[in-house]
Amino acid sequence: QVQLQESGPGLVKPSQTLSLTCTVSGDSISSGSYYWSWLRQPAGKALEWIGRIYTSGSTNYNPSLKSRVTISVDTSKNQFSLNLSSVTAADTAVYYCVGDEVRFNWFDPWGQGTLVTVSS
Amino acid sequence: DIQMTQSPSSLSAFVGDRVTITCRASQSIGSYLNWYQQKPGKAPKLLIYAASSLQSGVPSRFSGSGSGTDFTLTISSLQPEDFATYYCQQSYSTPMYTFGQGTKLEIK
Repeated sequence: QVQLQESGPGLVKPSQTLSLTCTVSGDSISSGSYYWSWLRQPAGKALEWIGRIYTSGSTNYNPSLKSRVTISVDTSKNQFSLNLSSVTAADTAVYYCVGDEVRFNWFDPWGQGTLVTVSS
Repeated sequence: DIQMTQSPSSLSAFVGDRVTITCRASQSIGSYLNWYQQKPGKAPKLLIYAASSLQSGVPSRFSGSGSGTDFTLTISSLQPEDFATYYCQQSYSTPMYTFGQGTKLEIK
């Protein structure tokens, strides 16, 4: 059973870079069964897809965030990471790392989520 | 972007009721529609994929239907553990995925 776990700072200052890592267990991140995605959810609001990476390193990003987002993968550690630059209070949200099934593109499994607050 | 619109935004129902939630896409998405359940403080859980296929381990009281632009999630007999927020998600315009705004299901 594949499990995901987010890690990273819970508080980031405005204009700085938000950095999160997702550790995958129960399967190799290079298995090819998933794209590896990041999503976020501001309090009381809907889910927003941020971007994804494949084991090859190929990436896709939400156009609304593309200029600020970088997603990378470290296959040796079975991890993938999110960097979001120039953050503002609007980036405050729960961030989820998620497996994006390659054939039908549903989201499962999910990490438990981590709250990142942007504040000085 | 494909816009996903859910209705209603909130819903109150009794245990044992049959409940239907609707999701409408701004353009045809075939059967590329997934449903999730989210409880407070928890990550979403996949319930239905490809419009009508039940994810493994999900109770059979959940069902999905529809194609094109109009989709429904039905819970045949509400259980106490079903009170949550439900989201639809289109995977047609991959990878630019979009979600509905959510339907909060509350106990009456």
